[in-house]
Amino acid sequence: GESVGLHLPTLSVQEGDNSIINCAYSNSASDYFIWYKQESGKGPQFIIDIRSNMDKRQGQRVTVLLNKTVKHLSLQIAATQPGDSAVYFCAEKGTGANNLFFGTGTRLTVIP
Amino acid sequence: DAGVTQSPTHLIKTRGQQVTLRCSPKSGHDTVSWYQQALGQGPQFIFQYYEEEERQRGNFPDRFSGHQFPNYSSELNVNALLLGDSALYLCASSWTAKNIQYFGAGTRLSVL
Repeated sequence: GESVGLHLPTLSVQEGDNSIINCAYSNSASDYFIWYKQESGKGPQFIIDIRSNMDKRQGQRVTVLLNKTVKHLSLQIAATQPGDSAVYFCAEKGTGANNLFFGTGTRLTVIP
Repeated sequence: DAGVTQSPTHLIKTRGQQVTLRCSPKSGHDTVSWYQQALGQGPQFIFQYYEEEERQRGNFPDRFSGHQFPNYSSELNVNALLLGDSALYLCASSWTAKNIQYFGAGTRLSVL
């Protein structure tokens, strides 16, 4: 079956440092991946997405890397700020599927 | 432009009761998906509606049902509530199923 998992449940970084959040997936047929940020009391907020025909995509202060060989996804946040503190989820969508499969999430804490 | 809106924000019910949650999609979106998020977990897909029909369903019992109206808004109904139904219920909307899903803030359901 499909599963999306995260290597670390929690991550603490110093303000100004770069953060890297990792995610493993098991369905080699997944063709779309997306990162969400969820703050306390709020719904998931879209950060960045990537399709399987790409291995890197950049946004504002964020970069997503996709390694299909080892089925690994990562989210890099540059110059992490206190406002980046939240739970980060990776999600995948299989070919032909309409729904997203989410992992458990990683809690990022930014230390001022 | 309003994003995805959900109502109510909080709800308390007792076992055996029935509940209806409501969702208005982001302007221009025609597809609505519902997710259940237990505390400390990632969202789990319940079902998706498009053109007023359930297009795809996750692994949830028939006690969970839904509806989509001509204006694309949607309802989630849960019958015969169980303690285990206590969770954050999230609605996500997108323009067709192939595009980014944007989430609302959710409805926090507590079953006592």
